[in-house]
Amino acid sequence: AQSVTQPDIHITVSEGASLELRCNYSYGATPYLFWYVQSPGQGLQLLLKYFSGDTLVQGIKGFEAEFKRSQSSFNLRKPSVHWSDAAEYFCAVGPSGTYKYIFGTGTRLKVLA
Amino acid sequence: DGGITQSPKYLFRKEGQNVTLSCEQNLNHDAMYWYRQDPGQGLRLIYYSQIVNDFQKGDIAEGYSVSREKKESFPLTVTSAQKNPTAFYLCASGTAGKPQHFGDGTRLSIL
Repeated sequence: AQSVTQPDIHITVSEGASLELRCNYSYGATPYLFWYVQSPGQGLQLLLKYFSGDTLVQGIKGFEAEFKRSQSSFNLRKPSVHWSDAAEYFCAVGPSGTYKYIFGTGTRLKVLA
Repeated sequence: DGGITQSPKYLFRKEGQNVTLSCEQNLNHDAMYWYRQDPGQGLRLIYYSQIVNDFQKGDIAEGYSVSREKKESFPLTVTSAQKNPTAFYLCASGTAGKPQHFGDGTRLSIL
């Protein structure tokens, strides 16, 4: 069955430190992969997406993610975290050519001043 | 600007009452979705619709109903059969294989 796992429920980092949020997926072929961010009481905003090609993708707000087929992972990274990055982050997978998507349970990021 | 509009932002339901959450999009997307969000459980799919006058149940459809009479609109009714309706409800739209776009959500509470 298709699934998305975000192993870390909460992560706390200091402002200016680097960040890596983990995402693992289970799917028979190469899926479409997404990272979204959600501020409290708001909807989800797309950070970046991977469809094919270069396995390192750049997104908005200085985020990037790397697709590793051998590890079935799509981890999100940022070299220097800002206090405004505190939010909840969701990884999602969407099999190509379909309308249905699967979301991870999210990772809540706290940033210490 | 194109986007998705959910209303109301906050909604209260009395026991035995049905309530309807509105979702409108002007992105010309074929598909629309309703998700329920509870703390620590991520997003769970309630219903989705790929075309007008057609929709499919998601993982937690019991106690909910939808309609898709227009491409732009996908209202969700939370019926009295849904015994635990308190949650944050998100509407999204999209096309096959592309990222979904989300509204700002409706928070439903029980009076």
